[in-house]
Amino acid sequence: GAVVSQHPSWVICKSGTSVKIECRSLDFQATTMFWYRQFPKQSLMLMATSNEGSKATYEQGVEKDKFLINHASLTLSTLTVTSAHPEDSSFYICSASQNNEQFFGPGTRLTVL
Amino acid sequence: AQSVTQPDIHITVSEGASLELRCNYSYGATPYLFWYVQSPGQGLQLLLKYFSGDTLVQGIKGFEAEFKRSQSSFNLRKPSVHWSDAAEYFCAVKRSNDYKLSFGAGTTVTVRA
Repeated sequence: GAVVSQHPSWVICKSGTSVKIECRSLDFQATTMFWYRQFPKQSLMLMATSNEGSKATYEQGVEKDKFLINHASLTLSTLTVTSAHPEDSSFYICSASQNNEQFFGPGTRLTVL
Repeated sequence: AQSVTQPDIHITVSEGASLELRCNYSYGATPYLFWYVQSPGQGLQLLLKYFSGDTLVQGIKGFEAEFKRSQSSFNLRKPSVHWSDAAEYFCAVKRSNDYKLSFGAGTTVTVRA
């Protein structure tokens, strides 16, 4: 149980385009999901907390207009990187919260050319 | 604010030898404590967690961790490592009244033959 999937697992895009990443809780409902960014050889950095049916809460320094989050259902949250640039290249990981635990997706590798 | 410290950036251990990874936290009350493992290019897998009760916690893959309130520590141990244990290990802390996880910087474990 408590499986979280992400799609796509990797994506390469041109600078200036937008990319959408999906995070799904497959066997449970998650009121709260989280989006993290991870740079090589570094820890996870929380970007935002996604709440079903309401606006996401962004961490300090994270541009909400750059990283659009939608949590339209109890099993799906999406992160859209708008007008992507090479500095947005990173590993993005989502998690879904249940019973004081977070269950993590496998991550999405974004490369912006 | 709570913080998590993993003092060891990189540990090299021989296959079959014991392993101990250190984790210290700063928080006024007893937090919820977690250890995760991450293989390259993958998401995070939960090894074990501590919420309350017995301070020695058993996890998956032969790992255990001990919560020591007096030292604000939650060190991870394995009696005999396998080559497949080579990975990145993250300690994480969560307050009982908050959804967010705070991660340590991570410890890279290398296993030599």
